[in-house]
Amino acid sequence: DAKTTQPPSMDCAEGRAANLPCNHSTISGNEYVYWYRQIHSQGPQYIIHGLKNNETNEMASLIITEDRKSSTLILPHATLRDTAVYYCIVREAYDMRFGAGTRLTVKP
Amino acid sequence: SQTIHQWPATLVQPVGSPLSLECTVEGTSNPNLYWYRQAAGRGLQLLFYSVGIGQISSEVPQNLSASRPQDRQFILSSKKLLLSDSGFYLCAWSASRNTGELFFGEGSRLTVL
Repeated sequence: DAKTTQPPSMDCAEGRAANLPCNHSTISGNEYVYWYRQIHSQGPQYIIHGLKNNETNEMASLIITEDRKSSTLILPHATLRDTAVYYCIVREAYDMRFGAGTRLTVKP
Repeated sequence: SQTIHQWPATLVQPVGSPLSLECTVEGTSNPNLYWYRQAAGRGLQLLFYSVGIGQISSEVPQNLSASRPQDRQFILSSKKLLLSDSGFYLCAWSASRNTGELFFGEGSRLTVL
């Protein structure tokens, strides 16, 4: 069972920031937060991960609350190609378990 | 650079027939290997993962099995397919240093009739 809770769907206007929330209230100290996305009929694509500090890369930013019980993935300028299912995963060991994710629809 | 390939890409099989899906990784050694399944309109379900040759961890009891005969080869099998085995099967690998960054193959779409 996934250790995370995400809204099933969200909409975002093209060019605006997309903020995708994730709750992981039972996260333990050694567990990382990972984000992936899956575009229809393709394998998931890694986006970003973090432990305690906020992280940023060329794709997105990850904001983790101080108590680590929730996080937010930020796509700063969403495009139509960012329409996908976004998965938040809490992981300690080898098993990566994907939940239902959030279906993000970017609208023109 | 590392690559991952799985085949066949599409498969239509009758109920009760056997199954063999193959996945190979190139350009890395001792990867962690994974098999996932995604039923239509559903999320990804972890089926098996392997941290080394002959080491398989099964996540869900079912009529599927996995084997890792070589370091970079991962095979998903069934002796007798069920209708419920239909889905999109994805193989993935990660570096053996226990990173959670997974790289996925192109997927194999199985339809059991």
